[in-house]
Amino acid sequence: QQPVQSPQAVILREGEDAVINCSSSKALYSVHWYRQKHGEAPVFLMILLKGGEQKGHEKISASFNEKKQQSSLYLTASQLSYSGTYFCGTEPGYSTLTFGKGTMLLVSP
Amino acid sequence: DGGITQSPKYLFRKEGQNVTLSCEQNLNHDAMYWYRQDPGQGLRLIYYSQIVNDFQKGDIAEGYSVSREKKESFPLTVTSAQKNPTAFYLCASSTSSVSEQFFGPGTRLTVL
Repeated sequence: QQPVQSPQAVILREGEDAVINCSSSKALYSVHWYRQKHGEAPVFLMILLKGGEQKGHEKISASFNEKKQQSSLYLTASQLSYSGTYFCGTEPGYSTLTFGKGTMLLVSP
Repeated sequence: DGGITQSPKYLFRKEGQNVTLSCEQNLNHDAMYWYRQDPGQGLRLIYYSQIVNDFQKGDIAEGYSVSREKKESFPLTVTSAQKNPTAFYLCASSTSSVSEQFFGPGTRLTVL
């Protein structure tokens, strides 16, 4: 079952902050975050693992609430280059990633 | 340069024809994946392989087939049994299911 992402879309002005949420109905072992620009391949942003380990880009921050089966991606002081569609992928620990439908982010000057 | 390549970038097919999409990686990754992307649907897993000569069905495997004869290569065949094959197809690889996936540039398949 696909994780649910919210919001579906968000428009920001450069410098503003945004939070993208990802919620699963299953217990999770890891949550992955990717960004995809139109017509391009998704690019890895971050992995959050059960137990608190995180791997990813320094400028990206995220949280993982294991009990609530939720993760949030925090985009601060947004730049034009942050525009794209953000996907979370969830994994229960014995299977493959299941991706959400994505959150479209548009940052305007 | 290490990476993952897909070819062709654009592919047109007539109804009733099988077509094979190429995916090659030189990252020495054990795991490889095929995803289908439709507008507003996210990435849906078609097939995956965690080791050479072994692969498993994903969520939407009907009408597709794969092979994994070499570690570097994971071709996807879209058969005539796939009812709605027009989509953007992405191949990815990773060292394991809990490590980051590296995606190829994708193949956009259009059935005429």
